Amino acid sequence: GQNIDQPTEMTATEGAIVQINCTYQTSGFNGLFWYQQHAGEAPTFLSYNVLDGLEEKGRFSSFLSRSKGYSYLLLKELQMKDSASYLCAVMDSNYQLIWGAGTKLIIKP
Amino acid sequence: GAVVSQHPSRVICKSGTSVKIECRSLDFQATTMFWYRQFPKKSLMLMATSNEGSKATYEQGVEKDKFLINHASLTLSTLTVTSAHPEDSSFYICSVKAGSVQETQYFGPGTRLLVL
Repeated sequence: GQNIDQPTEMTATEGAIVQINCTYQTSGFNGLFWYQQHAGEAPTFLSYNVLDGLEEKGRFSSFLSRSKGYSYLLLKELQMKDSASYLCAVMDSNYQLIWGAGTKLIIKP
Repeated sequence: GAVVSQHPSRVICKSGTSVKIECRSLDFQATTMFWYRQFPKKSLMLMATSNEGSKATYEQGVEKDKFLINHASLTLSTLTVTSAHPEDSSFYICSVKAGSVQETQYFGPGTRLLVL
């Protein structure tokens, strides 16, 4: 079966760095997405990785290793507004998105 | 990214009534639209995929006669929850994708449905 694993919840301090991991087992791979979802709101797109390596976009970076079925989202200089759930999603061989359950990130002052 | 709107943002209805939710792509033509449902603290669950001018493809376990989807144009898709029951109370979110199958999905703001 298809499976996306990510931690349920993480806590970090304002100004610090946090890494949210995602491992996946899917039938085929056509890219991995990270979305941010604030409570009560819809997800917003953060990043897309289809090749191995690190993609940097401001304070957020996303890494992919296809051979390991592994990705992480790195958030630097954490701000209180970064408190949200972070969803990992993989596009399988049928170009369907397989969603992880999300990681709730709690930022403390 | 794409700008997507949903209407209404919140709706409360009585059990047995039908509710229509609209999803509009405001700044580009969306060949494919998706409807998701999300229960509290749960992951997104894809309900159906709709392509403009054709019938929607429903995920396993989703009743197509209960959740009617119409994708009449490249900028509008509607989801009608027929004969709603309290267990249908959820957060319904649409997303759009332009042309290519590898395109990123962009989400509408969601509609919170409460069935009394």
